[in-house]
Amino acid sequence: TQLLEQSPQFLSIQEGENLTVYCNSSSVFSSLQWYRQEPGEGPVLLVTVVTGGEVKKLKRLTFQFGDARKDSSLHITAAQPGDTGLYLCAGVKKGTYKYIFGTGTRLKVLA
Amino acid sequence: DTEVTQTPKHLVMGMTNKKSLKCEQHMGHRAMYWYKQKAKKPPELMFVYSYEKLSINESVPSRFSPECPNSSLLNLHLHALQPEDSALYLCASSQESWEQPQHFGDGTRLSIL
Repeated sequence: TQLLEQSPQFLSIQEGENLTVYCNSSSVFSSLQWYRQEPGEGPVLLVTVVTGGEVKKLKRLTFQFGDARKDSSLHITAAQPGDTGLYLCAGVKKGTYKYIFGTGTRLKVLA
Repeated sequence: DTEVTQTPKHLVMGMTNKKSLKCEQHMGHRAMYWYKQKAKKPPELMFVYSYEKLSINESVPSRFSPECPNSSLLNLHLHALQPEDSALYLCASSQESWEQPQHFGDGTRLSIL
């Protein structure tokens, strides 16, 4: 059973479009991280969200943690080809030790 | 540039070979991790070291043997691997055990012939 489900799995859009990626769970997480991974590289941390309802902005990227800390979203405004990559949410389920990754969203932004 | 350095970047080995993957970080982090990532899948945790001691082994086969010689270095010794072990092996570190965020290396792409 995958604790962190991401949607969509794949997304191909034109440069300048907006998009939202979702990370959902039935479990509560102490915090969630979002990473971006490009081919041939390791995941790079984008943000950590800790407080329920928290919203964080990183240039054109907006991250939100659900009020109940069971879900998170990543919104990209005016996507650029440089945003292409695999987006992963990850975290530790409250009460456990195990750090798990979401199922991943593969984004391709076409010029 | 990543602050976690992994060598080699690529490795091809036969099923009877013995090889080692190396990972180094100089951020003063006390927790280090090995992950396995198959193509188009998220990373899967293999081992966690905390203060140079193995604290978590996610039921990894004994043909993978981790070692932490000091707080900056993490090795993964490989012996008698199977073709299905071909994957990207990622090393990561964090300040304390399970304290996020984790900093990842760029991985070693391993191919078993």
